Amino acid sequence: AQKITQTQPGMFVQEKEAVTLDCTYDTSDPSYGLFWYKQPSSGEMIFLIYQGSYDQQNATEGRYSLNFQKARKSANLVISASQLGDSAMYFCAMSYSSNTGKLIFGQGTTLQVKP
Amino acid sequence: GAGVSQSPSNKVTEKGKDVELRCDPISGHTALYWYRQSLGQGLEFLIYFQGNSAPDKSGLPSDRFSAERTGGSVSTLTIQRTQQEDSAVYLCASSPGREFNGYTFGSGTRLTVV
Repeated sequence: AQKITQTQPGMFVQEKEAVTLDCTYDTSDPSYGLFWYKQPSSGEMIFLIYQGSYDQQNATEGRYSLNFQKARKSANLVISASQLGDSAMYFCAMSYSSNTGKLIFGQGTTLQVKP
Repeated sequence: GAGVSQSPSNKVTEKGKDVELRCDPISGHTALYWYRQSLGQGLEFLIYFQGNSAPDKSGLPSDRFSAERTGGSVSTLTIQRTQQEDSAVYLCASSPGREFNGYTFGSGTRLTVV
């Protein structure tokens, strides 16, 4: 069965520093996708970054990068130069080829950026 | 529309009543998904539509939950005889098709059953 695990319920980071949010996954499907979403206190889900299981390079989108370690089944999100507006809940999610595009989500990590 | 629109944004209902939640996806998006998010939790898949068909409704928690989609556009999630454990945020998302590169979520409907 597919599973996503986020072991950090809450994280603090100082403004302008980098932070890593952990995500591990479990699947026997060779083709899958890994996603990170941000959910501010307003509640909307904002897509941040995507990594395909066959992608050779780690995905990057501006200040976000995904540290994809396939053998370890981890897909950590790295946020560089944290900003106060980065304070939010962050969800790791996975899709897999045998499904319909639905995502399996982790429990989330709350990030607070300190000034 | 420019984004995924959900209505109402908030709904308070009495236990035992029926509720309807609406989702208006991005124009032209053929895939539509409903998720549920309980307080402080991750998102739980409910149902997937491709066009007007629902090939995957495996996440619907009971037969009190149903959903339909008409005209390949608007979808309605109906909860009959609501229970307190149905209280959650119900999120809708749409995408151009069955793609592995993410989709766009609406702002959700916060349902409170009292």
